Amino acid sequence: DSGVTQTPKHLITATGQRVTLRCSPRSGDLSVYWYQQSLDQGLQFLIQYYNGEERAKGNILERFSAQQFPDLHSELNLSSLELGDSALYFCASSVRQQETQYFGPGTRLLVL
Amino acid sequence: GQNIDQPTEMTATEGAIVQINCTYQTSGFNGLFWYQQHAGEAPTFLSYNVLDGLEEKGRFSSFLSRSKGYSYLLLKELQMKDSASYLCAVNPIEDKIIFGKGTRLHILP
Repeated sequence: DSGVTQTPKHLITATGQRVTLRCSPRSGDLSVYWYQQSLDQGLQFLIQYYNGEERAKGNILERFSAQQFPDLHSELNLSSLELGDSALYFCASSVRQQETQYFGPGTRLLVL
Repeated sequence: GQNIDQPTEMTATEGAIVQINCTYQTSGFNGLFWYQQHAGEAPTFLSYNVLDGLEEKGRFSSFLSRSKGYSYLLLKELQMKDSASYLCAVNPIEDKIIFGKGTRLHILP
């Protein structure tokens, strides 16, 4: 158990819908990262927050957005969902930027 | 640009030794991570190399050569549970950590 929690574990929804994925970092970690991993693909970095501020953006679609709240938990919002958005979404946290990242168990999203 | 290369797949036999290589080209370098990821599960941290040389941690060792942009993960006394993907990730200066696509390791009995 890494200490990073993610909810929900599984999510099934339809195309065009909007979902919110939630992440609570390890106690004391200020950085939160979001990754997407499609079947048999590598980890695709989406976005990073540090102490409430956006610090880095990767290959994140405009339909996706995220934020980190004052209590340091983070939410990833996915809207106008498409079939291709079906994937595992991981959240990771670290004490500071560019330090060892610890991953949550992931949210498995299935868009039908 | 930023680039990390690892073999896509490798196969080894239970009880044997396997070496998984990783080469990288990044603008700046702070260190290199290795993670293990079982299918459908979260990546778990294995090692972090900052300085050149070999670091041993039980059955797993990780080596780094900064001048060559090269690292390897050495797994000894392979067990069936070592069947997983192994991700190499580079920590550049002033930029986000970059993950390679991973090496899928198959262990045969």
